[in-house]
Amino acid sequence: GAVVSQHPSRVICKSGTSVKIECRSLDFQATTMFWYRQFPKKSLMLMATSNEGSKATYEQGVEKDKFLINHASLTLSTLTVTSAHPEDSSFYICSARDPLSGSWDNEQFFGPGTRLTVL
Amino acid sequence: AQSVSQHNHHVILSEAASLELGCNYSYGGTVNLFWYVQYPGQHLQLLLKYFSGDPLVKGIKGFEAEFIKSKFSFNLRKPSVQWSDTAEYFCAVNAGGYNKLIFGAGTRLAVHP
Repeated sequence: GAVVSQHPSRVICKSGTSVKIECRSLDFQATTMFWYRQFPKKSLMLMATSNEGSKATYEQGVEKDKFLINHASLTLSTLTVTSAHPEDSSFYICSARDPLSGSWDNEQFFGPGTRLTVL
Repeated sequence: AQSVSQHNHHVILSEAASLELGCNYSYGGTVNLFWYVQYPGQHLQLLLKYFSGDPLVKGIKGFEAEFIKSKFSFNLRKPSVQWSDTAEYFCAVNAGGYNKLIFGAGTRLAVHP
């Protein structure tokens, strides 16, 4: 199957700083990538849909100025958590669709996640 | 709004026991349904998916799921679990032709040898 990577896998930062998380599709081009947040012992919550070459679409309740998403190429999307605070500590997961897997196939391939800890 | 509910948050089984994890969704139109598995320390992997056709779907590692439209359900089953099936299982729905997946809260399965 298609492979999605994330970098870094773990990051610890001080409150007030910004953190950038990268999501890459390694063996396919992804016009659409998704960013999720996973709270401890809870499910994945979709934060935003990242579209190559256009603005991201954010889910209700997600601050777009807080979580900046850039999808500048067909293999890379970045999520920047700006002015991070302890409540932003979480597990952030990205996924990508492979458009060549079939027009009716909406399978998403997930990255391994990034654990963010804000002190 | 679309939603997915998984009835069991924690399930503990002995090896060779049968497994059934419940999943119900709320959406009246056409849906695509998925089960994902997350092994400890690993990323989400697709177990199986349903788009159309035979409502009984077979996936990897001996898992299967049955789509019952009248019950808005997509329960996951395995006749005989193994210790290596210990993981968290997520049901997800993609509805209305949109790309985004809506996940259930997950079920943590522990299989004891």
